[in-house]
Amino acid sequence: EAGVTQSPTHLIKTRGQQATLRCSPISGHTSVYWYQQALGLGLQFLLWYDEGEERNRGNFPPRFSGRQFPNYSSELNVNALELEDSALYLCASSLAFTQTKNIQYFGAGTRLSVL
Amino acid sequence: SQKIEQNSEALNIQEGKTATLTCNYTNYSPAYLQWYRQDPGRGPVFLLLIRENEKEKRKERLKVTFDTTLKQSLFHITASQPADSATYLCALDARANRLAFGKGNQVVVIP
Repeated sequence: EAGVTQSPTHLIKTRGQQATLRCSPISGHTSVYWYQQALGLGLQFLLWYDEGEERNRGNFPPRFSGRQFPNYSSELNVNALELEDSALYLCASSLAFTQTKNIQYFGAGTRLSVL
Repeated sequence: SQKIEQNSEALNIQEGKTATLTCNYTNYSPAYLQWYRQDPGRGPVFLLLIRENEKEKRKERLKVTFDTTLKQSLFHITASQPADSATYLCALDARANRLAFGKGNQVVVIP
């Protein structure tokens, strides 16, 4: 069974540009979560999508947005990139909450560098 | 404010000994708590989940305890091996289907 896949592995952008990160969840998983892991800060919750809808978002500005497609894959968009957006962006997927108490399966991440 | 605290200093431990990690939290009322392992350049991997009404959970050489009065979880790796070297993250039920993660605690097992 394929795990959570993220692309690209690395992304280099300059300030002010836009970045698009992609995630494919484990087959059968309907929930997708996005996290930012900056150096020394731990995992910060960004967004949660389930059944195509944004269900919750963390304390991040609106230039962080995303969507979930009918096949449950997801995209994270970061507009007007700033230097401090440089981080590892992790995507996770899970089954419906009631089944698994939100056990999350993570991809390997996209390393975003903003120059 | 809400906080999850894990020791920022790496735990260096001799192979074969028991590693014990602590996760303390403030201003959360988690119904469950999870532990994950993260290797450099990789995403976290789920290890164990313990519910608020459970005192202890075991899986192979891993043991987790959960004390809701002390607001603390302990994570033990018994008979540690060099392959156990990694960063271990605790994650709390932050309600509304969110997990709140600690910053992680690095373990280095010395052969």
